[in-house]
Amino acid sequence: AQKITQTQPGMFVQEKEAVTLDCTYDTSDPSYGLFWYKQPSSGEMIFLIYQGSYDQQNATEGRYSLNFQKARKSANLVISASQLGDSAMYFCAMREDRGSTLGRLYFGRGTQLTVWP
Amino acid sequence: NAGVTQTPKFRVLKTGQSMTLLCAQDMNHEYMYWYRQDPGMGLRLIHYSVGEGTTAKGEVPDGYNVSRLKKQNFLLGLESAAPSQTSVYFCASSPDRGSRSNQPQHFGDGTRLSIL
Repeated sequence: AQKITQTQPGMFVQEKEAVTLDCTYDTSDPSYGLFWYKQPSSGEMIFLIYQGSYDQQNATEGRYSLNFQKARKSANLVISASQLGDSAMYFCAMREDRGSTLGRLYFGRGTQLTVWP
Repeated sequence: NAGVTQTPKFRVLKTGQSMTLLCAQDMNHEYMYWYRQDPGMGLRLIHYSVGEGTTAKGEVPDGYNVSRLKKQNFLLGLESAAPSQTSVYFCASSPDRGSRSNQPQHFGDGTRLSIL
C-alpha cells in the first residue's frame, strides 16, 4: 500500500491566488513527521515545511502552511498568494520515527503546479 | 556552504558498463541516503547508511552497491548498467534519526544517468 498519496498529478492556479495541494498518508506509527519539498524544473529538491505528528498547531513558513488533519491522515500544503516562481513539482513525504529504516522518507508521486499570470 | 554535492551531474553509459556516483556532505551528518527518481514515481530509496562503515538496503536495491568508508562520503555503484537504471539519482543526508525532529533531509542536485 502507498504510504503517501498525492491524488492531483497537475494543478493550475492564477497568480496571487491561493492553492491547496493534497496529501494523504498511511502509517501505524504514532510518531512521524511530514515534509513538503519543491522541485523546480532545474531539478533540485527544496525543503519547504515540516509537521510533526505531535504538533498541536499547523505549521507555517511564510506563504506556505500545512493543513494537518490527523484523524483524516491528511497533510495538505497551502500556498497563499501564488507567484510565477511557484511553478514546480511538489512532493509530500513522511518519516516514521519508529520505523526500521532510520530516517528514510516515503515520497508521494508529486503534483505539478503551474501558476499562470 | 556546499551542503550535499553529487558528482557527476550527467552521465551516459552503455549497457554493461560500470560506474560510481559520489556523494559528499560537509554538514557532519550521520545519515545518508541514495534515491532514484523516475517519471510519475516520486523518489524511491535505493540504499542508506546510518554511519561510517554501515550500509543497508532500501526499497529498490537490486543492481546497486554502496559504500560509506568516510562519514562525509557515500558512494553508489552500478556494477553492470542496464537500461532500467536510467534515472535521476539523488543523494540526501540528515543529522539524526529524527525522532520528533524537524530536521529535513538535505538533497544534492541530482545526477542524470542514461543507459543506452
